[in-house]
Amino acid sequence: NAGVTQTPKFQVLKTGQSMTLQCAQDMNHNSMYWYRQDPGMGLRLIYYSASEGTTDKGEVPNGYNVSRLNKREFSLRLESAAPSQTSVYFCATRLFGYTFGSGTRLTVV
Amino acid sequence: AQKVTQAQTEISVVEKEDVTLDCVYETRDTTYYLFWYKQPPSGELVFLIRRNSFDEQNEISGRYSWNFQKSTSSFNFTITASQVVDSAVYFCALRDSNYQLIWGAGTKLIIKP
Repeated sequence: NAGVTQTPKFQVLKTGQSMTLQCAQDMNHNSMYWYRQDPGMGLRLIYYSASEGTTDKGEVPNGYNVSRLNKREFSLRLESAAPSQTSVYFCATRLFGYTFGSGTRLTVV
Repeated sequence: AQKVTQAQTEISVVEKEDVTLDCVYETRDTTYYLFWYKQPPSGELVFLIRRNSFDEQNEISGRYSWNFQKSTSSFNFTITASQVVDSAVYFCALRDSNYQLIWGAGTKLIIKP
């Protein structure tokens, strides 16, 4: 039972490049979330999806897009990466509590 | 405004000492949930506890205990007889009525042998 799986675990991008962070869950939860964690800070919500087919902006959505492909998968896309997007990204699902993936450490140079 | 404050940026204690991590929250909601998560050096987020706003009973789980006081809007976390493996960053979080998690900045706990 993997829970929440994020890929890749590490990524280095050049400014202006695009990439998609993948998240898949096998917990059959409706709600999924993307957070970013910067040094010395708690997590900040980028986007969330309350159910398949719906997505909503969180606290820091600028520069990102998301797709809730199906109930299992929720991807986060950076269309034109910027150094300010260097961060650790966490995907999560929610039922009664929140279950987090292991994170993607992204560096934009 | 919804807010979680963890005033202690870093705490360092010697192994076997007791240590308390403070969490103060602000919310307009009457129904809300509070969480504690542990983030060890490996980086994953480990769920520790969830407490709803109607349940003010203190909770004890092994060496961990939590003190929830609505009167002071606090949800403090105590580790008894700390161990080196407890070294981590600990986050307190508030889930609001829109099901969004608002996180504190975290407290880095260092347990010295």
